[in-house]
Amino acid sequence: GAGVSQSPRYKVAKRGQDVALRCDPISGHVSLFWYQQALGQGPEFLTYFQNEAQLDKSGLPSDRFFAERPEGSVSTLKIQRTQQEDSAVYLCASNPGGGDTQYFGPGTRLTVL
Amino acid sequence: GENVEQHPSTLSVQEGDSAVIKCTYSDSASNYFPWYKQELGKGPQLIIDIRSNVGEKKDQRIAVTLNKTAKHFSLHITETQPEDSAVYFCAAAEYSSASKIIFGSGTRLSIRP
Repeated sequence: GAGVSQSPRYKVAKRGQDVALRCDPISGHVSLFWYQQALGQGPEFLTYFQNEAQLDKSGLPSDRFFAERPEGSVSTLKIQRTQQEDSAVYLCASNPGGGDTQYFGPGTRLTVL
Repeated sequence: GENVEQHPSTLSVQEGDSAVIKCTYSDSASNYFPWYKQELGKGPQLIIDIRSNVGEKKDQRIAVTLNKTAKHFSLHITETQPEDSAVYFCAAAEYSSASKIIFGSGTRLSIRP
């Protein structure tokens, strides 16, 4: 079946612009996660949803980062007033819920100029 | 919080030889240890995982071992092939709450023909 999809795959933004990154999890998956992966590093946790509820946002680096999942399926990660340090690959993962394996999407590579 | 250390950061082995990647973790509450393979331009792909109630798990050419007392776990790849070339990440999680995965910094594995 279809895996996790993310769009756009690549995004270039000028410093100060707002961006929105989309994640379509595997159908029926209850849990959805966002990670940030800097070049040459491992992914770092940003936030976690169970259905539409955002249960953990401890990894969001600043109040410029905002995530939502209003209907418990598609999620959007929004970054306001982008800075150069926001340049990274943003990964989305989902799982059926209850502590199972996380399945990752291909990521969105964000470059802030 | 949890901290996962991974080494080596780069590893080059002759095709057909074995490769070993080692990780340590800090939080004794962690009980789930996945390993991910990431190819260029793609998201991490789960290759094997182990839970803390077992010490070893094998899947064809791949095996993982876990020493809970020492907080060490390792990935072993035997009979390496060119398609094994990629970045490998170890990770740890505490799965009572189906929450975030903490990743190591990655090992770039190159298979020499």
